[in-house]
Amino acid sequence: AQSVAQPEDQVNVAEGNPLTVKCTYSVSGNPYLFWYVQYPNRGLQFLLKYITGDNLVKGSYGFEAEFNKSQTSFHLKKPSALVSDSALYFCAVRERGYQKVTFGTGTKLQVIP
Amino acid sequence: EAGVAQSPRYKIIEKRQSVAFWCNPISGHATLYWYQQILGQGPKLLIQFQNNGVVDDSQLPKDRFSAERLKGVDSTLKIQPAKLEDSAVYLCASSSDTGISGSEAFFGQGTRLTVV
Repeated sequence: AQSVAQPEDQVNVAEGNPLTVKCTYSVSGNPYLFWYVQYPNRGLQFLLKYITGDNLVKGSYGFEAEFNKSQTSFHLKKPSALVSDSALYFCAVRERGYQKVTFGTGTKLQVIP
Repeated sequence: EAGVAQSPRYKIIEKRQSVAFWCNPISGHATLYWYQQILGQGPKLLIQFQNNGVVDDSQLPKDRFSAERLKGVDSTLKIQPAKLEDSAVYLCASSSDTGISGSEAFFGQGTRLTVV
């Protein structure tokens, strides 16, 4: 069975500082990995994904994520946080060849002015 | 392109009543998902369709929840009878993925259900 862990319920970072939101996963085979962001009273918006190839993936709004197979991690990063980045972030995994997507429990990012 | 449309946005019902949610996916998307998101938790997959066939409904409480996707386009999710613990946001999503490409899902704004 596949699973995703987001170990931090909340991450606080000062505006202008780099941010990291952590995600680890577990699948039997090779994964597809996704990050989504959710603003209040909105649905989830796709940020970026890892399918294959380069371990560093760049996405929307200046976000990037690094796939680390040995550590089974897919941490979300941004070099300089904005107050507008404050939202709920979800990591998701899907095992290749299968269609079910499993979401993590989410991490609330708070960027402090 | 138009996004995933859901209605209604909000619904308040009494326990034991029935309710239905509607979803219109992005045109051409073969895969449609219904998720339940309880406050403070991540989305939980209820049912996944590919065209009009069910791919996964292992977490759908089949004694009270039902879903259909007629003609492989629009979908409805029904709850009958509702319980207090069904209070949640119901998210519909669609994807062009058919199991191989790893395409991402696009989400609607959700329906917030409150059962009193």
